[in-house]
Amino acid sequence: AQSVAQPEDQVNVAEGNPLTVKCTYSVSGNPYLFWYVQYPNRGLQFLLKYITGDNLVKGSYGFEAEFNKSQTSFHLKKPSALVSDSALYFCAVRDGEDMRFGAGTRLTVKP
Amino acid sequence: GAGVSQTPSNKVTEKGKYVELRCDPISGHTALYWYRQSLGQGPEFLIYFQGTGAADDSGLPNDRFFAVRPEGSVSTLKIQRTERGDSAVYLCASGAGGPGNEQFFGPGTRLTVL
Repeated sequence: AQSVAQPEDQVNVAEGNPLTVKCTYSVSGNPYLFWYVQYPNRGLQFLLKYITGDNLVKGSYGFEAEFNKSQTSFHLKKPSALVSDSALYFCAVRDGEDMRFGAGTRLTVKP
Repeated sequence: GAGVSQTPSNKVTEKGKYVELRCDPISGHTALYWYRQSLGQGPEFLIYFQGTGAADDSGLPNDRFFAVRPEGSVSTLKIQRTERGDSAVYLCASGAGGPGNEQFFGPGTRLTVL
């Protein structure tokens, strides 16, 4: 079965600094990888996805992610963090029609 | 346009009671998914509908859980004889279907079983 892992429960960065939220995957076949963000008392919002093509995927709110097949990683990045980026981030992989999520990483951006 | 909506937003019930949770998907989306999210964890797949039929119900934890989508739009998740361990946020998502397409999530229903 497909799965993802988010090795960090919490990531803290200062506003204006670059941020990285890590995700590794385990799949058989071609991976379909996604990043979602969850703000308090709100549903998950889609950020970006990797299906095929360029390894660097650009998404909403200035986020991007790099697909690395040799390292089986799909890390989420942003060049300059904002306080408003503070939220819970989930990496996910499609397993047929199912979406398998990681446990989430809480990002805190401090002013 | 309108997103996925879920009602109620919060539901408190007593152990042993029956509950129904409703999901209104985005208009035109043929695929509908239910997930359960416990505190500190990622969403866990429960069931997937393509149209009116449950194409994959392998995530339902036991036979107390059941879901329907009779007209291919609104879906209801039904839980019989609720247990305290059923307490969680139940998320609904809809989409075009297919592994390359994203799912659009509702705000969830927070179920608390006392």
